[in-house]
Amino acid sequence: DTAVSQTPKYLVTQMGNDKSIKCEQNLGHDTMYWYKQDSKKFLKIMFSYNNKELIINETVPNRFSPKSPDKAHLNLHINSLELGDSAVYFCASSQGRGRHIQYFGAGTRLSVL
Amino acid sequence: AQKVTQAQTEISVVEKEDVTLDCVYETRDTTYYLFWYKQPPSGELVFLIRRNSFDEQNEISGRYSWNFQKSTSSFNFTITASQVVDSAVYFCALREETSGSRLTFGEGTQLTVNP
Repeated sequence: DTAVSQTPKYLVTQMGNDKSIKCEQNLGHDTMYWYKQDSKKFLKIMFSYNNKELIINETVPNRFSPKSPDKAHLNLHINSLELGDSAVYFCASSQGRGRHIQYFGAGTRLSVL
Repeated sequence: AQKVTQAQTEISVVEKEDVTLDCVYETRDTTYYLFWYKQPPSGELVFLIRRNSFDEQNEISGRYSWNFQKSTSSFNFTITASQVVDSAVYFCALREETSGSRLTFGEGTQLTVNP
């Protein structure tokens, strides 16, 4: 069973389109995250939700909007896609914050043409 | 502000060699947590180890070992008798108690183990 699953795994789209990435975790965790990994492999947090409440919102363009319908899901919607949005997006989850281990999904590779 | 530095961008070794990946961190918190993750060529991020700031005991897990030294703010990772399957990008990460759930990653070290 996949603990943190993201769909789709690959996403190729044109500039200006709107797209969504879905994330689900079956670990019973209460905190979920989105990270962006750029072409140089650098990983940076974008958002975090705890019990459906937004707790981290880094300096991310407001074209990116996370949505958490329940504790097990955290989706990422991106409006008006730009070339610079091309990256790998990782979803993660943990039980609580602080010391708790974050478990990552397999990533979604987004290519904007 | 928290920061993690992995000075080695790329390391290449021959199978069965030992290799150490360096990680240096900066934090003002007295309570913090350090992590190592592995990203194999398939792309997923795999958790390897967590250490808290109050536990400086070194840890060994099979061919993997970790050396945590608060005096030098370092959390180095050694792979003994490396294997081709160890080829991956390895990330060191830091979470401060006061920053809640934010994980700050180093730039990663690409390890290539050649047969």
